[in-house]
Amino acid sequence: EPEVTQTPSHQVTQMGQEVILRCVPISNHLYFYWYRQILGQKVEFLVSFYNNEISEKSEIFDDQFSVERPDGSNFTLKIRSTKLEDSAMYFCASSEVSQVSGYGYTFGSGTRLTVV
Amino acid sequence: AQSVTQLDSHVSVSEGTPVLLRCNYSSSYSPSLFWYVQHPNKGLQLLLKYTSAATLVKGINGFEAEFKKSETSFHLTKPSAHMSDAAEYFCVVRAYTGRRALTFGSGTRLQVQP
Repeated sequence: EPEVTQTPSHQVTQMGQEVILRCVPISNHLYFYWYRQILGQKVEFLVSFYNNEISEKSEIFDDQFSVERPDGSNFTLKIRSTKLEDSAMYFCASSEVSQVSGYGYTFGSGTRLTVV
Repeated sequence: AQSVTQLDSHVSVSEGTPVLLRCNYSSSYSPSLFWYVQHPNKGLQLLLKYTSAATLVKGINGFEAEFKKSETSFHLTKPSAHMSDAAEYFCVVRAYTGRRALTFGSGTRLQVQP
């Protein structure tokens, strides 16, 4: 069964440093997403990406965040200057276009980011 | 706007007994509804989804959910719990508004006692 792959599984970074979280979505999916889950809290939507541009973003997704699809397979989330409160599990997801199929959202296993 | 309320933060059952995890949703439009499961230190796995076809939806590992519009509910059930079902379960909604963002409930932790 096709999978969404995320790397690394764990990342520790110092406050103020830049981090890049990487994802390989399912190959025939056209929508890509990032979600995060702060420990003990709900999974929250950050951003969706389609046709090489952001299609939707939440209030959380401020100027310190950016997303990119640098080639035909990878989808990245960059956090420019990390803060302690950015510590969370970050999930990448991708989905089909078809509404009938329920969009077929598939999530990766997550990257646990710890900011120290 | 849409929202999801999972009525129980924690449910404990004995192995072999039925499971009921409750979810109520609020949506201005006909929603798509999902249940995801998260095992410890694992990602989010889709259990089942409702997309305006049959109101009784069958998923993986023997789970089912019934969409009840009149009650705005989408409860998850399983006739007989297994130890491996112990995990966190999330009810998720997506509204047909052209938006693709999913809204997650706060989760229900299912504990299965031997």
